[in-house]
Amino acid sequence: AQSVTQLDSHVSVSEGTPVLLRCNYSSSYSPSLFWYVQHPNKGLQLLLKYTSAATLVKGINGFEAEFKKSETSFHLTKPSAHMSDAAEYFCVVSPGTNAGKSTFGDGTTLTVKP
Amino acid sequence: NAGVTQTPKFRVLKTGQSMTLLCAQDMNHEYMYWYRQDPGMGLRLIHYSVGEGTTAKGEVPDGYNVSRLKKQNFLLGLESAAPSQTSVYFCASSYSANTEAFFGQGTRLTVV
Repeated sequence: AQSVTQLDSHVSVSEGTPVLLRCNYSSSYSPSLFWYVQHPNKGLQLLLKYTSAATLVKGINGFEAEFKKSETSFHLTKPSAHMSDAAEYFCVVSPGTNAGKSTFGDGTTLTVKP
Repeated sequence: NAGVTQTPKFRVLKTGQSMTLLCAQDMNHEYMYWYRQDPGMGLRLIHYSVGEGTTAKGEVPDGYNVSRLKKQNFLLGLESAAPSQTSVYFCASSYSANTEAFFGQGTRLTVV
């Protein structure tokens, strides 16, 4: 069994300040973990993924995430928020062996204030 | 680069009507998926396919049918639409089970 919990449904930051979006997971397997971003009225786009290589994963647009097995976490960070980062973010856990078993978190809406 | 293309983008149906959503991908991916997105609930998998001619049920398959007659196309059918099927539907494709999924732009369906 697996699950994913995004700990904040809404996060608000000021432009230029750090971003932290939190994701905890549980999995019976060694999972693959993903962060996707969805801008309004758009499809989802991959930000970054972890697939058992380096625990610190760098993605697009300055985002990165650290896989912490002991804490079962995969938090998304960015040092300095930009207005264009305002969007909804989804954490996804996949066992990697079954296409039908990926689980999406409920999403975190990021607001960036000028 | 077209990627994943969904048609139509918007549709309004009356209760009991039927319709088919078309998803096409040009990346030669084996895996294709249909999700629905409802407010505050993330994405939930309806059906998926691991190759041409194959389909499998996801988390919320009831009221939907799918077909994958050609590798590049994945069709989602609603035989008798219900208001509970009002949602935004996303198609996605991927090379394998644990690689990046590429998503279409979505179809906003309203059933009245």
